[in-house]
Amino acid sequence: AQSVTQLDSHVSVSEGTPVLLRCNYSSSYSPSLFWYVQHPNKGLQLLLKYTSAATLVKGINGFEAEFKKSETSFHLTKPSAHMSDAAEYFCVVSDPAGYNKLIFGAGTRLAVHP
Amino acid sequence: GAVVSQHPSWVICKSGTSVKIECRSLDFQATTMFWYRQFPKQSLMLMATSNEGSKATYEQGVEKDKFLINHASLTLSTLTVTSAHPEDSSFYICSAGLAGGSTGELFFGEGSRLTVL
Repeated sequence: AQSVTQLDSHVSVSEGTPVLLRCNYSSSYSPSLFWYVQHPNKGLQLLLKYTSAATLVKGINGFEAEFKKSETSFHLTKPSAHMSDAAEYFCVVSDPAGYNKLIFGAGTRLAVHP
Repeated sequence: GAVVSQHPSWVICKSGTSVKIECRSLDFQATTMFWYRQFPKQSLMLMATSNEGSKATYEQGVEKDKFLINHASLTLSTLTVTSAHPEDSSFYICSAGLAGGSTGELFFGEGSRLTVL
């Protein structure tokens, strides 16, 4: 069965410092992995996706993630945090049981302090 | 980009009543939409897959008679919580993907917060 584990429920950084949100996955096949962001009162938005192409994936707003099969990880990073990055972030894996069926991690709440 | 809209964004109802939540794809057609439930400070749990013109496919443990899903057109899916009880209070979210789009690349509604008194 496919699953994702987000290792931190809360991450707090100062504005301008790097962001690291950790995600490990479990999959019996080569997975498709995603990071989605949820801002308050807004719908979830796709940040980036990995679908077996380049292992380093660049997304929107300066975020990127690296797929590491040996570590079964897909950590999300950003060199310099901005106040507007404060949100809930979800690591997601596709479920082969159905097209566009997604399995969400528990989420990581990112706080950015001035 | 593609836009998915939900209505209402929040609703309060009395126990025993039914509540309908709409999910619309505003600028694209969606043969398939997804309904999720999100408890406070928890992740999204897929409830069902809504298929235009056919019956919804429910995930294990989701009561079909409690959560009625109708997908009557290519731009509208509705979720009706029947005989709502306080334990049904939650944040309900829908999503849809573009036909022929990359798998997993979904567009989400803003969510509908249901409070049952």
